[in-house]
Amino acid sequence: AQSVTQPDIHITVSEGASLELRCNYSYGATPYLFWYVQSPGQGLQLLLKYFSGDTLVQGIKGFEAEFKRSQSSFNLRKPSVHWSDAAEYFCAVTYNNNDMRFGAGTRLTVKP
Amino acid sequence: EPEVTQTPSHQVTQMGQEVILRCVPISNHLYFYWYRQILGQKVEFLVSFYNNEISEKSEIFDDQFSVERPDGSNFTLKIRSTKLEDSAMYFCATTLRQDNEQFFGPGTRLTVL
Repeated sequence: AQSVTQPDIHITVSEGASLELRCNYSYGATPYLFWYVQSPGQGLQLLLKYFSGDTLVQGIKGFEAEFKRSQSSFNLRKPSVHWSDAAEYFCAVTYNNNDMRFGAGTRLTVKP
Repeated sequence: EPEVTQTPSHQVTQMGQEVILRCVPISNHLYFYWYRQILGQKVEFLVSFYNNEISEKSEIFDDQFSVERPDGSNFTLKIRSTKLEDSAMYFCATTLRQDNEQFFGPGTRLTVL
């Protein structure tokens, strides 16, 4: 069955530290891959996406993600976290853009 | 920048009542979607819609749910007889092509009492 796994429910990092949020998927073929961010009570904002081509994609707010086919992963990274990055982060995948499957989310807390 | 809009932002209804949630897609977009997010849980796909018909639907999208685009602009989600467990945030999303990203609206918070 198609699935998206975000193994970390909650991550706490210090401001200025680096960040990596994990995402693994289980699909029959390479899907389209996305990372969204959601602040409390807000909608979903797209950080970045991978459809094809260069496996390292750059997004907004200094985020990047790397698609690793061999590991079925699409981990999100940021070299230096800001307090404003505290939010819920969702990895999402779709094979044909008919239905998008979301991971359970990772809540990021940033310590001063 | 064009945006997906949704109305109302918050809807409170009694159990058993019908609700209609509305979405105005980005003007030239052709593919439309509804998702829901129960409080504290992940976002779940409900249905996709293209060319005036449902393309795909999840197991959540049972006979109580329906979608339509009656006037060529609004894209609506109707829940015929709401249940307590329908309380959630409902997101509309639209895209121009199937190989393009989906743009999400701000959501409608539905509270069923």
